[in-house]
Amino acid sequence: DIVMTQTPLSSPVTLGQPASISCRSSQSIVHNDGNTYLSWLQQRPGQPPRLLIYKISNRFSGVPDRFSGSGAGTDFTLKISRVEGEDVGVYYCMQATQFPHTFGPGTKVDI
Amino acid sequence: EVQLLASGGGLVQPGGSLRLSCAASGFTFSNYAMTWVRQAPGKGLEWVSSITGGGGGTYYTDSVKGRFTVSRDNSKSTLYLQMNSLRAEDTAVYYCAMWGQNGDYLYWGQGTLVTVSS
Repeated sequence: DIVMTQTPLSSPVTLGQPASISCRSSQSIVHNDGNTYLSWLQQRPGQPPRLLIYKISNRFSGVPDRFSGSGAGTDFTLKISRVEGEDVGVYYCMQATQFPHTFGPGTKVDI
Repeated sequence: EVQLLASGGGLVQPGGSLRLSCAASGFTFSNYAMTWVRQAPGKGLEWVSSITGGGGGTYYTDSVKGRFTVSRDNSKSTLYLQMNSLRAEDTAVYYCAMWGQNGDYLYWGQGTLVTVSS
């Protein structure tokens, strides 16, 4: 199985300041079709997860442009350019390149 | 508007069974693979099972193989998860999610809580 790790696991942030979360996969998650199926999800308290970013760097519909994703191969990053209050929650990276699909442990972002 | 409404959770004794349902609306259900993901209390996300749009392909995490069965009824736009031989470690909120062609879980339902306890 592909193991996803995240750092940090907890990130106190200041409103208006940037934040960054790293995600690493235990092996390359480049699919045979050439795509890298790495997504970022946000889970606000008491809510189901919500898709933010797919295929490393593509923002999902309705996601603010302060969220951006980057990376390649085994190392990936989610950046929030200016944290807002509604960004509080847990952020997960996940890979869907191969079964079993796996998630990182989550990074808790709080103010 | 895409909606996924999960139901069927509850309290069940170890060794018991439950069937979860996920009613979908707002999109052409048969065009999308679907997934079940669970989250134990206070824990992270764990992929459980996926099924292709036509239902011909099913996939399971090792810990549920032989105990859980995923299925779908495209005429009813509904996804199912039959869970047998339930164990305490299956206790979790179970989410259904729409699995897109970009390898992403596009939309998620609100989840249904399964508690396995005597």
